[in-house]
Amino acid sequence: QPVLTQSPSASASLGASVKLTCTLSSRHSSYPIAWHQQQPEKGPRYLMKLNSDGSHDKGDGVPDRFSGSSSGAERYLTISSLQSDDEADYYCQTWGTGIWVFGGGTKLTVL
Amino acid sequence: QVQLVESGGGVVQPGRSLRLSCAASGFTISNYGMQWVRQAPGKGLEWVAFIWTDGSNKYYADSVKGRFTISRDNSKSTVYLQMNSLRGEDTAIYYCARVLAEHPDYWGQGALVSVSS
Repeated sequence: QPVLTQSPSASASLGASVKLTCTLSSRHSSYPIAWHQQQPEKGPRYLMKLNSDGSHDKGDGVPDRFSGSSSGAERYLTISSLQSDDEADYYCQTWGTGIWVFGGGTKLTVL
Repeated sequence: QVQLVESGGGVVQPGRSLRLSCAASGFTISNYGMQWVRQAPGKGLEWVAFIWTDGSNKYYADSVKGRFTISRDNSKSTVYLQMNSLRGEDTAIYYCARVLAEHPDYWGQGALVSVSS
């Protein structure tokens, strides 16, 4: 089954940009993923589906500040013009036949 | 607008059962697969179970296979998770999610299940 690896934490300043990384296991390097945001004490929110070619489909109401890109087995989430409510946990997720897998999540701190 | 509301959580003793419900509104549930995802205290997200649009196919994580059962009643716009033989490690917030093709695109706010003697 696929494995997703995320750095446990990241930080960036208010108004700056940050790029979060999700790495697929090598055998599954062409898989698409989904990015989800979880603000403190809330349920997750779907941000986008991201394909291996970098094309992505965003969820309803997701601001243009959120974008995705891909390179090999790596999938990225870039957040520009950081706001205080972007401080959250960010999870990537992928899927196979009858199985769905999450990365461990990245806790983003906005300084 | 799309809404998913979980209910049925609570405190239960090890070995006992509990059934969660997920009431959907704002869309035609019969057009979507649905899944349950859980989050243990202070931990990340863990996929639990998935059910196809008509209930004909169901998939489970190894950690719950044989103990949990996912089902749905499209006439009531509701998805269920029957949890039997509960263990301490099942303690978590359980989220219901609508699945768009392969991935969740809407999530509920969650129901807390605490397994403790």
